[in-house]
Amino acid sequence: GIQVEQSPPDLILQEGANSTLRCNFSDSVNNLQWFHQNPWGQLINLFYIPSGTKQNGRLSATTVATERYSLLYISSSQTTDSGVYFCAVEGGSGNTGKLIFGQGTTLQVKP
Amino acid sequence: IAGITQAPTSQILAAGRRMTLRCTQDMRHNAMYWYRQDLGLGLRLIHYSNTAGTTGKGEVPDGYSVSRANTDDFPLTLASAVPSQTSVYFCASSEGGIPDTQYFGPGTRLTVL
Repeated sequence: GIQVEQSPPDLILQEGANSTLRCNFSDSVNNLQWFHQNPWGQLINLFYIPSGTKQNGRLSATTVATERYSLLYISSSQTTDSGVYFCAVEGGSGNTGKLIFGQGTTLQVKP
Repeated sequence: IAGITQAPTSQILAAGRRMTLRCTQDMRHNAMYWYRQDLGLGLRLIHYSNTAGTTGKGEVPDGYSVSRANTDDFPLTLASAVPSQTSVYFCASSEGGIPDTQYFGPGTRLTVL
């Protein structure tokens, strides 16, 4: 099955810094989503982005489907950005929502 | 609007016991999903349902069963719990189709002793 690798596994930032999280996948995808899991365990969908670029406030994401990677950018980081960021994909031509999750990037933003 | 609710919040269960985790959504989403989250393994799909009356197997379905009698509810049953089923269980839902953004419930922390 499709493999999903996220990097870096851990990241520590000072408040106000920018960061880029990467998600590589081993096969073509038609469904790619980024999630944030806050320190209390709640999972929040950030982007549905199987291709192209999207922005939402300080967050933006770009997926280059032909090169099999996606990037999540966090600008002017805040302590509330701390938590784990997951990339999840569904490979092949279907769109059943059967997502395969990466291992996540754990982000800690220090004040 | 509550979104997705899960019950119980947490549970300690003796091995061999039967347990049903409840999940209800009020968004009238067509698709629903059950995941388990384990340290070092991320989230893995257990079962899913693309519409009421249908279900399918995910990555790790063994030891679990689901039903989808109506749009709103998607219970997950452990027929005879084992310690390896100790995990945090998340229910999710989506409208289905494209885009297929998934929304997650707050999770159930289950410990099987």
